[in-house]
Amino acid sequence: GAGVSQSPSNKVTEKGKDVELRCDPISGHTALYWYRQSLGQGLEFLIYFQGNSAPDKSGLPSDRFSAERTGGSVSTLTIQRTQQEDSAVYLCASNTITGTGELFFGEGSRLTVL
Amino acid sequence: AQSVTQLGSHVSVSEGALVLLRCNYSSSVPPYLFWYVQYPNQGLQLLLKYTSAATLVKGINGFEAEFKKSETSFHLTKPSAHMSDAAEYFCAVTSNTGNQFYFGTGTSLTVIP
Repeated sequence: GAGVSQSPSNKVTEKGKDVELRCDPISGHTALYWYRQSLGQGLEFLIYFQGNSAPDKSGLPSDRFSAERTGGSVSTLTIQRTQQEDSAVYLCASNTITGTGELFFGEGSRLTVL
Repeated sequence: AQSVTQLGSHVSVSEGALVLLRCNYSSSVPPYLFWYVQYPNQGLQLLLKYTSAATLVKGINGFEAEFKKSETSFHLTKPSAHMSDAAEYFCAVTSNTGNQFYFGTGTSLTVIP
């Protein structure tokens, strides 16, 4: 696609439920990143994909968080048994290592856990 | 690992005044440095980037940044602030491999009419 697309844009869920957040990167971008931005905070790195593999998943806060990427394209971030502290904006970004180095961001998925 | 420090989580300037947002990186020179802007309820948008071609980098909306190796700085400036500049600004650097991005904690810019 023309830009990085994320869905849903807003998600309200109850504590203890599972949620899935989707990211569709720019076509041809091999690298994909997930970040979390809590209210008034900076960007917290979660995980990075190169193709379908994740060389760095060191930022995932707990084993309730997982992510996968299939076909070198779409990625899904899954949060199991959501907690109120998971409330944040989840940002996805992509780039190509043969390009100019910059990240292209989606508009984010705002998650609210009640 | 690289690290980025943005001094001042909140900066207020009057409309028409100089904007100066500070960014310092850790001692090893990263391949790329960036400034991103985030408007409310939006993702991050690239303002400008440094790729070693020139130390003074010009970006969109009249912003520019100067890479100073001796000071390990990459401060963002704009000669005259506009109301539409009110936003959150993030400085970022890459790792030496270019695969990892390290963001500062952001500076919220308020423009006073």
